[in-house]
Amino acid sequence: NAGVTQTPKFRILKIGQSMTLQCAQDMNHNYMYWYRQDPGMGLKLIYYSVGAGITDKGEVPNGYNVSRSTTEDFPLRLELAAPSQTSVYFCATSARDYSYEQYFGPGTRLTVT
Amino acid sequence: AQTVTQSQPEMSVQEAETVTLSCTYDTSESNYYLFWYKQPPSRQMILVIRQEAYKQQNATENRFSVNFQKAAKSFSLKISDSQLGDTAMYFCASNTGANSKLTFGKGITLSVRP
Repeated sequence: NAGVTQTPKFRILKIGQSMTLQCAQDMNHNYMYWYRQDPGMGLKLIYYSVGAGITDKGEVPNGYNVSRSTTEDFPLRLELAAPSQTSVYFCATSARDYSYEQYFGPGTRLTVT
Repeated sequence: AQTVTQSQPEMSVQEAETVTLSCTYDTSESNYYLFWYKQPPSRQMILVIRQEAYKQQNATENRFSVNFQKAAKSFSLKISDSQLGDTAMYFCASNTGANSKLTFGKGITLSVRP
């Protein structure tokens, strides 16, 4: 089992460009999450999903969009990239409710210049 | 709203010694879970230990244990017999929501000296 995979690992974007960060899991987990980690900081929740077709905003959703058409995939879309979106992005999954641990992907380092 | 506070930005410990990482949290929920995650230089987030608020007994996982003080809303991590591989950032996190949303502290950088 691959667990949680993220692509790409690294990306440099110019201001105003758009891109999609991919996240896929093979653990059949219903819950999926996107976090960003700024230097020296903890992770902040961008969006989350409790199942296919259901998504909701987290703490810092501005500038991002998500969709969840399948259980396995949860892509994060950046529109009109800005330097403030320079960060490391983590995707995570969880089997059930809040008593369960979250499993994290390896992260995507994004730089916007 | 949940908040998690880690006030120590970094700590250093000699190999084989014991170190304690501090964490305080705030929540109005009656039941919740607390976690410590480790992030080594590889960047991978790894669960170290989990504590359910309803359980009075402190969680233990091998060399890792917690001191959970519910009334004080304190959740510290003790690492015994520190090893070089323990060098990492450690994040305290709480989870109270029905949708399993974690709230993280800012993290603490732990360095284990040989």
